[in-house]
Amino acid sequence: DAGVIQSPRHEVTEMGQEVTLRCKPISGHNSLFWYRQTMMRGLELLIYFNNNVPIDDSGMPEDRFSAKMPNASFSTLKIQPSEPRDSAVYFCASSLWAGGDNQPQHFGDGTRLSIL
Amino acid sequence: KNQVEQSPQSLIILEGKNCTLQCNYTVSPFSNLRWYKQDTGRGPVSLTIMTFSENTKSNGRYTATLDADTKQSSLHITASQLSDSASYICVVSRRTNTNAGKSTFGDGTTLTVKP
Repeated sequence: DAGVIQSPRHEVTEMGQEVTLRCKPISGHNSLFWYRQTMMRGLELLIYFNNNVPIDDSGMPEDRFSAKMPNASFSTLKIQPSEPRDSAVYFCASSLWAGGDNQPQHFGDGTRLSIL
Repeated sequence: KNQVEQSPQSLIILEGKNCTLQCNYTVSPFSNLRWYKQDTGRGPVSLTIMTFSENTKSNGRYTATLDADTKQSSLHITASQLSDSASYICVVSRRTNTNAGKSTFGDGTTLTVKP
């Protein structure tokens, strides 16, 4: 059974470029989460979707960040323009939503992003 | 302020020994508490989820406890193995009127198990 699939695994790009991170959640899961992890700040929730609808994007750092979920099997996190302080590991996770958030979240292995 | 404090920051134990990791929180109103294990270079893996009414939950050699009155949780690892070397993250969710909990993450405890 395939888990959460993220691509690319690694991304190195120059400041100012657009970056697009991709996520395929586990089939049948109806909640999807985007996280960012850094040494300084640990894990931070950026945004989450329920049934493809963004529910809470209060963790998105600024307008340079945007996320979409056009269908139940695909989501993107875009940074435009990128800055060196965006360098981090970005995780996508999915779960079943059963009227509350007491379901386990399944994480992908992340995208390690480096902005030069 | 909603906070989650984990201790110790790091821990080194010998293979076969037991250990206990601590998580104290001030998140309110409480919804649930999760423990995750994160291997280096991998995404976190859920170990346990506990709601207000649960005070203990096991997953193999991992046992989590929750005292909602004192707002403390512990993760006990029995008969440690080399593969237990990882970062252990405590996450506490706050109940909101949208039924979509807001989560606060601890900084994690880094466990190293030596042969």
